[in-house]
Amino acid sequence: ETGVTQTPRHLVMGMTNKKSLKCEQHLGHNAMYWYKQSAKKPLELMFVYNFKEQTENNSVPSRFSPECPNSSHLFLHLHTLQPEDSALYLCASSLLLDSQETQYFGPGTRLLVL
Amino acid sequence: DAKTTQPPSMDCAEGRAANLPCNHSTISGNEYVYWYRQIHSQGPQYIIHGLKNNETNEMASLIITEDRKSSTLILPHATLRDTAVYYCIVRVQGSSNTGKLIFGQGTTLQVKP
Repeated sequence: ETGVTQTPRHLVMGMTNKKSLKCEQHLGHNAMYWYKQSAKKPLELMFVYNFKEQTENNSVPSRFSPECPNSSHLFLHLHTLQPEDSALYLCASSLLLDSQETQYFGPGTRLLVL
Repeated sequence: DAKTTQPPSMDCAEGRAANLPCNHSTISGNEYVYWYRQIHSQGPQYIIHGLKNNETNEMASLIITEDRKSSTLILPHATLRDTAVYYCIVRVQGSSNTGKLIFGQGTTLQVKP
C-alpha cells in the first residue's frame, strides 16, 4: 500500500463509451502523473500535474482528457477510445522539493477497449 | 528514449545476493539514478535512489561507480517474492521541477528455490 489509490481496478468499455479513471493520493504530495503500460512495452509518461497545473502532455491523443481539481485527486476522462488503447493505466504522485523527488505509484487500472 | 541499459533477464538462487547491473553512460551531473520494481501487473514499487554515493535502505543497496556511468542494485538475500521486473531509471528534469521517469524494458529477475 503506497497511499495512492486508483479506481476502478478493471474496466471494460466499448469504443463509443465515455468513462473516467480516478486517482487519489493521501500522502500530501503536490505533483501527480498518468502513465500508460501497454502489453510488452515500457511504461510511457502521459501527463504531469504540478499543483493542479498541467506541466507535461506527452503528445497524448485528445481522446484522453486529464483533470486535476486539487493536488490530491487526478482523473483521466476517456471517450471514443480504440482497441489499441487497452493497457494498464498507472497514476503516481510525488512531493516536489528538489531534483530527487520520488514518485509513488498506485496499483493501476486495467482497461480493455472492445 | 531510456537513458539506461539493463540485461533483459537474470536468475538468482533463493537466499543468495542478487546483483542487478545498469549502464547509464550519458547521465548528467545532477541526474539521480532510481530503481523500481514491478511485480506482475501491479504498480511499480520504489526501491532506492542515489546521485553519486552508495546508498542502503531496508530493501536494497545501490552501488554507483565513481564516474557515475553505471550502477548495481543489490538485494542481499533474495526471496521468491523478489521475482519481478527491475527498472533502472535516470530521472530527467521536466517542466516546473517535476521529474520525468523514462522507463526501459528492465531486467526480469527470477528467484529460484
